[in-house]
Amino acid sequence: EDQVTQSPEALRLQEGESSSLNCSYTVSGLRGLFWYRQDPGKGPEFLFTLYSAGEEKEKERLKATLTKKESFLHITAPKPEDSATYLCAVQAGTQGGSEKLVFGKGTKLTVNP
Amino acid sequence: GAGVSQSPRYKVTKRGQDVALRCDPISGHVSLYWYRQALGQGPEFLTYFNYEAQQDKSGLPNDRFSAERPEGSISTLTIQRTEQRDSAMYRCASSLSTGYGQPQHFGDGTRLSIL
Repeated sequence: EDQVTQSPEALRLQEGESSSLNCSYTVSGLRGLFWYRQDPGKGPEFLFTLYSAGEEKEKERLKATLTKKESFLHITAPKPEDSATYLCAVQAGTQGGSEKLVFGKGTKLTVNP
Repeated sequence: GAGVSQSPRYKVTKRGQDVALRCDPISGHVSLYWYRQALGQGPEFLTYFNYEAQQDKSGLPNDRFSAERPEGSISTLTIQRTEQRDSAMYRCASSLSTGYGQPQHFGDGTRLSIL
């Protein structure tokens, strides 16, 4: 069964204090690993898709990386507006299989000014 | 452009009643997904459609849950004979095309409360 584990569950940072969020996964044939940001009362907002080990993607203060077992979301010099829950999801399976996403429980990030 | 639209935003109903939740995907998006999200958890897959065809319904909890997308656009998730354990946030997502790797764009959900 495909599984996604995110750590830590919650993270508090001071503004400007860089850190990383972890997403460990076990899947049968990774087709894509997705990062989402979710603000309170809102639906998840798409950030990145990573497809293969060694791939990296960046967006403003965020950089996502992927290995064969885990993905990291690096946050450089965060600002209070980066406070949100960050969700990791995997899409897995054989060709023609389901396109469903399997999500982790998320990491709640709080950035204090 | 407009995002994924879900209605109603909130639904409160008594145990045993049927409910219908509506999802209007982003215009032109051919794939539509239903998820359920408990507080403090990530979304959990229920079912999805490519165009009007239901591709995978393995996540539907039991036969009280059903979904349709008759014209390949708007979708309805129906829960019959609701139970208190059905209370949750129901989220809909859509993607531009079929196949792996397509970002799924989520709506703000319907909060369902069963009394």
